[in-house]
Amino acid sequence: AQKITQTQPGMFVQEKEAVTLDCTYDTSDPSYGLFWYKQPSSGEMIFLIYQGSYDQQNATEGRYSLNFQKARKSANLVISASQLGDSAMYFCAMRENKAAGNKLTFGGGTRVLVKP
Amino acid sequence: NAGVTQTPKFQVLKTGQSMTLQCAQDMNHEYMSWYRQDPGMGLRLIHYSVGAGITDQGEVPNGYNVSRSTTEDFPLRLLSAAPSQTSVYFCASSTDRGGLNGYTFGSGTRLTVV
Repeated sequence: AQKITQTQPGMFVQEKEAVTLDCTYDTSDPSYGLFWYKQPSSGEMIFLIYQGSYDQQNATEGRYSLNFQKARKSANLVISASQLGDSAMYFCAMRENKAAGNKLTFGGGTRVLVKP
Repeated sequence: NAGVTQTPKFQVLKTGQSMTLQCAQDMNHEYMSWYRQDPGMGLRLIHYSVGAGITDQGEVPNGYNVSRSTTEDFPLRLLSAAPSQTSVYFCASSTDRGGLNGYTFGSGTRLTVV
């Protein structure tokens, strides 16, 4: 079974509007971390936001927030007030703390295109 | 600048050739890993290391070797390149797993095997 599932291969969003990117995960480890990365067309991986499995509050970083629903194993990324520079691929990733090596497991990504 | 340095940025190989992708970090991170990214897909783990002298296989290790003789360096060796190894390769380093600890990724190596 897929450990990280991103069901939206691509989406359009109007500039200045909010967009939600879906991510569901599967793990039996009670201690884990969830990450979102942005990959622009230049190719680098840019860390956006992190949520720990025991964190009581949803993570926020500027215009990024993570809607963490632990019982549903869901960790959706919300980008508020979209900008043209937000056009990129977005990846959800998970680190299971019982696994050796501090490994990340990635979803297949969602491509976002912001329209002016 | 501190971070993860990958070389080369681009490489074209002929089928059957071997080569080494270099990765170096200057943050004294104990964990290092190699991922590959195929077109339109997420990253998949090839090999990882939890410290100097200790490496292990990830999800897609076949056709690749690694070693970690120092904390700073984690080279990835392609033994006999195949077209299926055409991909973008990312090296990443990180520190201990507790709490919020971001991973630092290199800028990637785009490899084409013809």
